[in-house]
Amino acid sequence: NAGVTQTPKFRILKIGQSMTLQCTQDMNHNYMYWYRQDPGMGLKLIYYSVGAGITDKGEVPNGYNVSRSTTEDFPLRLELAAPSQTSVYFCASRGTSGSADTQYFGPGTRLTVL
Amino acid sequence: EDQVTQSPEALRLQEGESSSLNCSYTVSGLRGLFWYRQDPGKGPEFLFTLYSAGEEKEKERLKATLTKKESFLHITAPKPEDSATYLCAVQNKNNFNKFYFGSGTKLNVKP
Repeated sequence: NAGVTQTPKFRILKIGQSMTLQCTQDMNHNYMYWYRQDPGMGLKLIYYSVGAGITDKGEVPNGYNVSRSTTEDFPLRLELAAPSQTSVYFCASRGTSGSADTQYFGPGTRLTVL
Repeated sequence: EDQVTQSPEALRLQEGESSSLNCSYTVSGLRGLFWYRQDPGKGPEFLFTLYSAGEEKEKERLKATLTKKESFLHITAPKPEDSATYLCAVQNKNNFNKFYFGSGTKLNVKP
């Protein structure tokens, strides 16, 4: 199992550009999450999904969009990038049996908006 | 509003010098409290889940405990490889998808 994978690892965007951060999990987990982590701060929830076709907002959704067409994939879309979106983005997933509350995190995408 | 506060922000220990990290929380209903380890440039790695006051979990040199207001991560005789940032998170029982993270304690263990 690769677990949770994220691409790209690093990206530099110019203000106003758009991009999609990719997240894939191979654990057949229903629940998937997107967080951002700013320096010295905790993780903040952007969006989450409870299954294919179902998504909901977290604490800080403005400026982002998500979709969930398959169980495995949960891409995060940034439209009109702004410097305030400079951060490290983590995708996570969790299942519905066993240690169902445990989130498993990907390695992160470090995004800089200039 | 649900929130998590971790202290200290940073902790420097000599190898073998035991200490504790604190995680204080305010949540409308606690489903679970989680401890994660995060190495530089990597995603958080799960350590423990605690569900009720009085519960304790152990793993090697780490022991996590939980009360109704806070959790402690005790590190016994730490080694340099224990150096990392330790994150605490709470899960709200009214919405299992709401997880609130603290800002972490950065632990540095010197040989």
